[in-house]
Amino acid sequence: DGGITQSPKYLFRKEGQNVTLSCEQNLNHDAMYWYRQDPGQGLRLIYYSQIVNDFQKGDIAEGYSVSREKKESFPLTVTSAQKNPTAFYLCASVGQGWDQPQHFGDGTRLSIL
Amino acid sequence: DQQVKQNSPSLSVQEGRISILNCDYTNSMFDYFLWYKKYPAEGPTFLISISSIKDKNEDGRFTVFLNKSAKHLSLHIVPSQPGDSAVYFCAASGFSGAGSYQLTFGKGTKLSVIP
Repeated sequence: DGGITQSPKYLFRKEGQNVTLSCEQNLNHDAMYWYRQDPGQGLRLIYYSQIVNDFQKGDIAEGYSVSREKKESFPLTVTSAQKNPTAFYLCASVGQGWDQPQHFGDGTRLSIL
Repeated sequence: DQQVKQNSPSLSVQEGRISILNCDYTNSMFDYFLWYKKYPAEGPTFLISISSIKDKNEDGRFTVFLNKSAKHLSLHIVPSQPGDSAVYFCAASGFSGAGSYQLTFGKGTKLSVIP
């Protein structure tokens, strides 16, 4: 089945540590996105990528980094510079066309030890 | 400044009755609107959408209405079922200056359908 796979489902970070969240899709979508969700909040855009080897900052990119070396993969690194990393992280992808919905993975819950 | 607002954090409805979830937006450049349903610890699932050239779109028990002049959209669920209990996010899309379409999300409305 086609879809978006995020791993791990739960992740713990120690102070000063970088952690990487995985996102893989087999939908052949060009565009991929990373969002952060905090309790009682909507989804806020961290980074997005429209094409391989290209990505753009979203609204809250500070303390995060991404890469897009393959069409299927868009990993997110939460660096030690992100002072409040505890959140639910969601990856999404979308096909071509302005009227296509984004499809989401099941998310990664990141917590601080 | 919130461009997409869902002013009701929660809504309770009896099973079999109509659920109406509301959403307001401020950016007149938005041209595509979506509703997502989300269960705890899962990703949002696309529910239904509407483009700005329409004022209504229906899919089974779900209907979305768009009032462009009021910058308001609503999701109607008829009849409501206990399995509809979830958080519903309204989202709006428009062409960004970076050459892509971005989604802007509201904060969500938690719907509880009471058996």
